[in-house]
Amino acid sequence: AQTVTQSQPEMSVQEAETVTLSCTYDTSENNYYLFWYKQPPSRQMILVIRQEAYKQQNATENRFSVNFQKAAKSFSLKISDSQLGDTAMYFCALRREGKSTFGDGTTLTVKP
Amino acid sequence: DVKVTQSSRYLVKRTGEKVFLECVQDMDHENMFWYRQDPGLGLRLIYFSYDVKMKEKGDIPEGYSVSREKKERFSLILESASTNQTSMYLCASDSANEKLFFGSGTQLSVL
Repeated sequence: AQTVTQSQPEMSVQEAETVTLSCTYDTSENNYYLFWYKQPPSRQMILVIRQEAYKQQNATENRFSVNFQKAAKSFSLKISDSQLGDTAMYFCALRREGKSTFGDGTTLTVKP
Repeated sequence: DVKVTQSSRYLVKRTGEKVFLECVQDMDHENMFWYRQDPGLGLRLIYFSYDVKMKEKGDIPEGYSVSREKKERFSLILESASTNQTSMYLCASDSANEKLFFGSGTQLSVL
């Protein structure tokens, strides 16, 4: 079985500052994929960033980047230059053999 | 624009009713999924399907069934709705190990 843990139910950050969301996971497999998804108040879940476990290089997507520590089974998301539109619930997910397991989510509020 | 469409955004049903939640995707994806989202519990997988006529149980299949008669359509069925099935239901689809595409969710209330 695989598990995903997000230890921060809620976080807040000032606009233009940087924030890091934590995620740890547990799997006995070596090949898997990790994702961060964003769910704004509109409820439409969208992909933020994707990481293949076999790649050592951390994925980046504009203001979003990850710190992937495979040995520690850690996959944190860093949001730089936070914007009001980043206010949302963020889910960390692990995908293995076609199935995705999600964490409980972190609600991020960006304050003006 | 790629799309996953869920038939209802809000639904109110009575205990014991049979409930159908419909999901259609236009991306020719093989894989389709039904998740349930509850506060503090994240997303939990109910059922998924890798192909037409094929279905697999997820982590919480009890009280639910599914149907996939066509590649683009994946239906979630609550045979006899109960109050503990009040929740947000999210449909998703994907191909291989790419990202999931989600519908906008159905908020179901069972009274």
